[in-house]
Amino acid sequence: DAGITQSPRHKVTETGTPVTLRCHQTENHRYMYWYRQDPGHGLRLIHYSYGVKDTDKGEVSDGYSVSRSKTEDFLLTLESATSSQTSVYFCAISGDRGRRTYEQYFGPGTRLTVT
Amino acid sequence: AQSVTQLDSQVPVFEEAPVELRCNYSSSVSVYLFWYVQYPNQGLQLLLKYLSGSTLVKGINGFEAEFNKSQTSFHLRKPSVHISDTAEYFCAVSERSGGSNYKLTFGKGTLLTVNP
Repeated sequence: DAGITQSPRHKVTETGTPVTLRCHQTENHRYMYWYRQDPGHGLRLIHYSYGVKDTDKGEVSDGYSVSRSKTEDFLLTLESATSSQTSVYFCAISGDRGRRTYEQYFGPGTRLTVT
Repeated sequence: AQSVTQLDSQVPVFEEAPVELRCNYSSSVSVYLFWYVQYPNQGLQLLLKYLSGSTLVKGINGFEAEFNKSQTSFHLRKPSVHISDTAEYFCAVSERSGGSNYKLTFGKGTLLTVNP
C-alpha cells in the first residue's frame, strides 16, 4: 500500500470555525489531490498539486484552500466551515518515480461533520 | 471535458453468480481507464487499469474489464462473486492529452451487494 496518512481521521466542528486537514505521504510522489465523497456524487476533486507550491482548483473548490510547502504534505483548509462541507475527505497521490504511472493511490479518509 | 456514467447505482447478486458492472465514458480525446473498489469505511483501492495494448484487462480479486472504444465503455466483470466482494465500485477516466492526464474523473459508484 502507498504510504499515505490523513489526520485527523474524524472531526466534528461548528459552523464558522476554520478547519485544516492534513495529508502526508512517504512515497515522494509529485502529484497530490483532495477529494470529497458524498452519497450519490461519487468523488469530486477539490484541489490538486503538481509540485511544491504549485496548486490548482478542481471542480468543487469554493470554500476551500490548499497549501503545499513540502513534497510530503498537502493541507486542505476550510476557512469558515459550513454544514454543506460535512463530508468524507480523501487525499490521493500519483507518482512519477522515473516512470509515470497515472493511477492514484488513496488515503484512509477524514470524516468531517460540521454542526 | 470528460465524464463517466455508471449505469447502475446498485447491483444485488447471489454468491457464486457472475456479475457485470457497467461504465460508459465521454471524452473528446483518448483516455486511460480505471476501476476502484471501496470497502465500508475505507479508502479506494485500485482494481485494474487500462492504459494501452490489450483491451481485456485483468485485475486483483478475479476481476477483469474490457475496453470498447467504439462503445466508449469499460465494463467490469467477475465470473463468480463472493460475499467478500460486497463493496462500492468506482469507474474513473483520465484524458491522454497534454498536462491533464494527471486528473481523474469518477463515476458516482455502483454498490455491489452479494447475498448468500
